Amino acid sequence: DAKTTQPNSMESNEEEPVHLPCNHSTISGTDYIHWYRQLPSQGPEYVIHGLTSNVNNRMASLAIAEDRKSSTLILHRATLRDAAVYYCILRDLMDSNYQLIWGAGTKLIIKP
Amino acid sequence: NAGVMQNPRHLVRRRGQEARLRCSPVKGHSHVYWYRQLPEEGLKFMVYLQKENIIDESGMPKERFSAEFPKEGPSILRIQQVVRGDSAAYFCASSPGQVRSGNTIYFGEGSWLTVV
Repeated sequence: DAKTTQPNSMESNEEEPVHLPCNHSTISGTDYIHWYRQLPSQGPEYVIHGLTSNVNNRMASLAIAEDRKSSTLILHRATLRDAAVYYCILRDLMDSNYQLIWGAGTKLIIKP
Repeated sequence: NAGVMQNPRHLVRRRGQEARLRCSPVKGHSHVYWYRQLPEEGLKFMVYLQKENIIDESGMPKERFSAEFPKEGPSILRIQQVVRGDSAAYFCASSPGQVRSGNTIYFGEGSWLTVV
């Protein structure tokens, strides 16, 4: 799997939108972009995934650059419960690779 | 966390003892994965099991670690003769089928092992 690059940490104010960037300049055409988050002392939780088009679900939106070399996870209105480490992970469609390669993620700090 | 149950949540063992971690996957899921997470790091894959079969254990240390997923009952990750370096969070995950990019994988809340 191709690697991803994320900022170590980000801060945001409560009830404001948050944009979490992820760079994946070596992404291949068959790589899906997955986002998970991990709250303190919890297991990772699936957030969203996409291939080429922007995606929305009840938790977040995923904006994928046209060249797919970067993506942004958007939390539309952050709450204190969104404070977590967010992981951007690539998974190859053509490969049954379940060995998710986890980086250090972005620690999101929400200020009340 | 979508129904993956792990126990114990916290386990303390003295060096040389055995640690046994259990994982019950989401009902109906036949694929189980174990990961280890050291402090301030991302998860590292350890082993992938289906019922009664080990599919891939390439991430497992060659000695002292073993895993099983019997026909009946939970998956077990067993660590013999624990050392301080085994102290970590161990996460179990499950999926209904082989994990491909369209499928999500569901994680348990983890078991925190502390070796003293």
